[in-house]
Amino acid sequence: EAQVTQNPRYLITVTGKKLTVTCSQNMNHEYMSWYRQDPGLGLRQIYYSMNVEVTDKGDVPEGYKVSRKEKRNFPLILESPSPNQTSLYFCASSLSWLNTGELFFGEGSRLTVL
Amino acid sequence: AQSVAQPEDQVNVAEGNPLTVKCTYSVSGNPYLFWYVQYPNRGLQFLLKYITGDNLVKGSYGFEAEFNKSQTSFHLKKPSALVSDSALYFCAVRDAGRGSTLGRLYFGRGTQLTVWP
Repeated sequence: EAQVTQNPRYLITVTGKKLTVTCSQNMNHEYMSWYRQDPGLGLRQIYYSMNVEVTDKGDVPEGYKVSRKEKRNFPLILESPSPNQTSLYFCASSLSWLNTGELFFGEGSRLTVL
Repeated sequence: AQSVAQPEDQVNVAEGNPLTVKCTYSVSGNPYLFWYVQYPNRGLQFLLKYITGDNLVKGSYGFEAEFNKSQTSFHLKKPSALVSDSALYFCAVRDAGRGSTLGRLYFGRGTQLTVWP
């Protein structure tokens, strides 16, 4: 089944404790992206990747890191999480970004930073 | 700068009535426009897109959207609403060009649609 898989789906952590949210897609998509969803703010783009070893900042990259060492994986790293990073995170991918660009989304990862 | 506005946080309609969810956008070049739907505790799902051509585009679940370049709008519509259409709807825009914003997609804040039986 074609899908974007995120882990963990739910996580409660403490300030400063490094964490990684994994994202994997099995559709051979070149483009991948991370978003955070906050009430009243919609979705805001954190980072995106047009292809392997190519990443770039979105609207809200501060406090996050990403890497794209292989096509299927695009982990989101929070080196020192803070409470303002409490949010719902979505990973998404696209086969035809350069042409049309509809996205396939994962189910989301709800992160709480205490 | 690219941006999307969804002026209504909430839209309420009775089942069987037509529905409209509004979206206006701003891009520096030609727009690619999208609608996504989010059901509770789920990721977003693609509904439809406007890339070029006919201003009226049809998508999944009987939804359609009308691109109006002069009004910079891309309103989502459905002739007859169903209770199962109740969800959070997001409009999104990207610049069709290949410039510095190539990888960027901008979402609106979302509109909660509630269809009453």
